[in-house]
Amino acid sequence: KAGVTQTPRYLIKTRGQQVTLSCSPISGHRSVSWYQQTPGQGLQFLFEYFSETQRNKGNFPGRFSGRQFSNSRSEMNVSTLELGDSALYLCASSLGDFNSPLHFGNGTRLTVT
Amino acid sequence: DAKTTQPTSMDCAEGRAANLPCNHSTISGNEYVYWYRQIHSQGPQYIIHGLKNNETNEMASLIITEDRKSSTLILPHATLRDTAVYYCIVRVADAGGTSYGKLTFGQGTILTVHP
Repeated sequence: KAGVTQTPRYLIKTRGQQVTLSCSPISGHRSVSWYQQTPGQGLQFLFEYFSETQRNKGNFPGRFSGRQFSNSRSEMNVSTLELGDSALYLCASSLGDFNSPLHFGNGTRLTVT
Repeated sequence: DAKTTQPTSMDCAEGRAANLPCNHSTISGNEYVYWYRQIHSQGPQYIIHGLKNNETNEMASLIITEDRKSSTLILPHATLRDTAVYYCIVRVADAGGTSYGKLTFGQGTILTVHP
């Protein structure tokens, strides 16, 4: 069974630009969550989508947004990039209940210059 | 979310069992204990989880104390590839189900397996 796939693997952007990251969940998984990982703040929850609806959102500014498509694939968008947005962005998928683990992809490494 | 406390770092000899402790004294009755690990530059890898009973899978064993206030992850025969950051997470089970996808990661335990 294929794992969670994130594209692109690496990305370099300039301040002020916007970026879209993509995540393909494990087949059959309807829940997709996004996380940001930085050396200073560690792993932090961004938001979760389930059946195309945002179910929960972390404490991030409105520049961070996402969506989920009918095939459960998800995209995350960051507008007006700041230097502090440089991070590893991780996507995780699950069946969507507390007894089902989240399975993570290997992330997109975003560098903002 | 229930707070977890883990040692910052641990060492283990290759071939020996690695026992990683975790304290979660404020855990509620319907909250699961999950363990993940992360090898540098990769996404967190799911290891095992449990609610009340001890659990075992092909990767590890999870021992949860009877009062559920602490647990231990056991890697029975550690290898060099087990060197990673290990995260113990209490997964909050809210009645509305809005927190399904939210895991609160702490700083974890850096496990170093030596030859």
